[in-house]
Amino acid sequence: EAGVVQSPRYKIIEKKQPVAFWCNPISGHNTLYWYLQNLGQGPELLIRYENEEAVDDSQLPKDRFSAERLKGVDSTLKIQPAELGDSAVYLCASSPPQGAANTGELFFGEGSRLTVL
Amino acid sequence: SQKIEQNSEALNIQEGKTATLTCNYTNYSPAYLQWYRQDPGRGPVFLLLIRENEKEKRKERLKVTFDTTLKQSLFHITASQPADSATYLCALDGTGGYNKLIFGAGTRLAVHP
Repeated sequence: EAGVVQSPRYKIIEKKQPVAFWCNPISGHNTLYWYLQNLGQGPELLIRYENEEAVDDSQLPKDRFSAERLKGVDSTLKIQPAELGDSAVYLCASSPPQGAANTGELFFGEGSRLTVL
Repeated sequence: SQKIEQNSEALNIQEGKTATLTCNYTNYSPAYLQWYRQDPGRGPVFLLLIRENEKEKRKERLKVTFDTTLKQSLFHITASQPADSATYLCALDGTGGYNKLIFGAGTRLAVHP
């Protein structure tokens, strides 16, 4: 079974440029998350989707960040314009529908490392 | 304020010994707590989940305890191996339900031959 796929793995841009990250979750996982991880820190939730609905975007800086999951499968996270402080790893995760088989475990992708110069 | 604290200093141990990592939390009432392993440049990988009504959970060489009175979880790796070297993250549910995980900063473990 394929895991969570993210691209690109690495991105270097200059400040004020836009950038987009893509995530394809595990098949059948209806919940998708975007996390931000700074060096030496744990992941911090940016947004959580249940199918195509953003059910928790309270931590998403909406002035420059946006996300979409139009068909309830893959998702895109965009930053426009990027700032120096946005340099971090952007992690996507997914989890299956709640029920007996759901242990609360999150399945993470390998992350997209962003460097803003 | 709400906090999850893991030892920020790396834990260095000798191969074969038991590694014990600590996760303390403040002002949360989690229904469960999870532990993840993260290797450099990789995403976190789930290891174990322990619920609030469970005192201890084991999986192979791993053991997790959960003390809701002390607000603490301990994560043990017995007979540690150099391959166990990684950062270990604890995470708890911040809202009392599934799918709202709050992560600690992690503790780096280095197992020396």
